[in-house]
Amino acid sequence: KAGVTQTPRYLIKTRGQQVTLSCSPISGHRSVSWYQQTPGQGLQFLFEYFSETQRNKGNFPGRFSGRQFSNSRSEMNVSTLELGDSALYLCASSLGRINTDTQYFGPGTRLTVL
Amino acid sequence: AQRVTQPEKLLSVFKGAPVELKCNYSYSGSPELFWYVQYSRQRLQLLLRHISRESIKGFTADLNKGETSFHLKKPFAQEEDSAMYYCALNFTGRRALTFGSGTRLQVQP
Repeated sequence: KAGVTQTPRYLIKTRGQQVTLSCSPISGHRSVSWYQQTPGQGLQFLFEYFSETQRNKGNFPGRFSGRQFSNSRSEMNVSTLELGDSALYLCASSLGRINTDTQYFGPGTRLTVL
Repeated sequence: AQRVTQPEKLLSVFKGAPVELKCNYSYSGSPELFWYVQYSRQRLQLLLRHISRESIKGFTADLNKGETSFHLKKPFAQEEDSAMYYCALNFTGRRALTFGSGTRLQVQP
């Protein structure tokens, strides 16, 4: 089975711009979660989507948003980028049936905001 | 608020020595706890979860509710165990992992 894929792998943006990151889950997985990883804050949960609905949300400002399509692929969008948004963004997919379903992580998208 | 603490940023041991990676949590409910591992240039992957009470690659972890700990142990470290290890907590009824800051394990020959 192909693993979780994320595109693009690297992005450079400037402050004030917006960005869209994409995540394709493992075939058959209906849940996609997004995490932000920074040296200072570590791994932090952004949100989780299941069957095109946001099911859980972390403590991030409204500039961070996401969506999920009918094929379970997910995108996350960050508007009005700030320097502090520079991070590795990870997505993880799972079957989504129970909370302890294994989450499979993608390689991440490294976003640099200049 | 829920919190996961991994007190050691770096743990360096010699091959064949026992390993214990510490993890403490604060959560008033019934936690679902996991250990994730990231080997060099690889993805973050699940190592084990407390509900399975399994042993993976010789690692075990026991949930101690009294001490609110979920330490990861291995009796004899191998060089290939060198990696970054993250302890993670899931709220009951919620799919939103709270990660610790991670511990880098270095196993020296």
